[in-house]
Amino acid sequence: AQSVAQPEDQVNVAEGNPLTVKCTYSVSGNPYLFWYVQYPNRGLQFLLKYITGDNLVKGSYGFEAEFNKSQTSFHLKKPSALVSDSALYFCAVSPLKAASGGSYIPTFGRGTSLIVHP
Amino acid sequence: SQTIHQWPATLVQPVGSPLSLECTVEGTSNPNLYWYRQAAGRGLQLLFYSVGIGQISSEVPQNLSASRPQDRQFILSSKKLLLSDSGFYLCAWSVRGFSDGYTFGSGTRLTVV
Repeated sequence: AQSVAQPEDQVNVAEGNPLTVKCTYSVSGNPYLFWYVQYPNRGLQFLLKYITGDNLVKGSYGFEAEFNKSQTSFHLKKPSALVSDSALYFCAVSPLKAASGGSYIPTFGRGTSLIVHP
Repeated sequence: SQTIHQWPATLVQPVGSPLSLECTVEGTSNPNLYWYRQAAGRGLQLLFYSVGIGQISSEVPQNLSASRPQDRQFILSSKKLLLSDSGFYLCAWSVRGFSDGYTFGSGTRLTVV
């Protein structure tokens, strides 16, 4: 069974400082990995994904994530945080191959609340 | 381009009343469709998913049901709402291979009173 862990319920960072939101995963075989962001009372928005290729993935709004296969991690990073980055961030993992019946059911982490202080 | 529409945005319903939330996708064919519930602004609970018309898989036993009457339409229903059905409901779609992940709707805030 696949699983995702986001070990921090909340991350606090000062504006202008670098930020990291942690994610570790467990899946059989090679994974699809995703980061999503959710603003209050809104749906989740796609930030970036890793499927194959370079371990450093660049996404929307200046975010990037580093895939580390040996540590089974996919941490989200940004060099300089903005107050507007304050939101709830979700990591998700899906296997590359569909389960029986053709469905892909990704597993989401519980989310990490990022608070950027002015 | 593909878009996903979910409505209504907010809903207040009395206990025991019926529920119908609708989700439609435009600009794609044969999508996988999903209903999630998010409680207390945190983790996502997968309620139902569908890989085709009339094909519904339920992840958890509950007071809700789902239907997919058309390829790009996914409906979440209940005959009699419970207080515990309150939450934020999200519809999402993905391509068959999931290579692009999910696209989520804007969500419905349901309050059962």
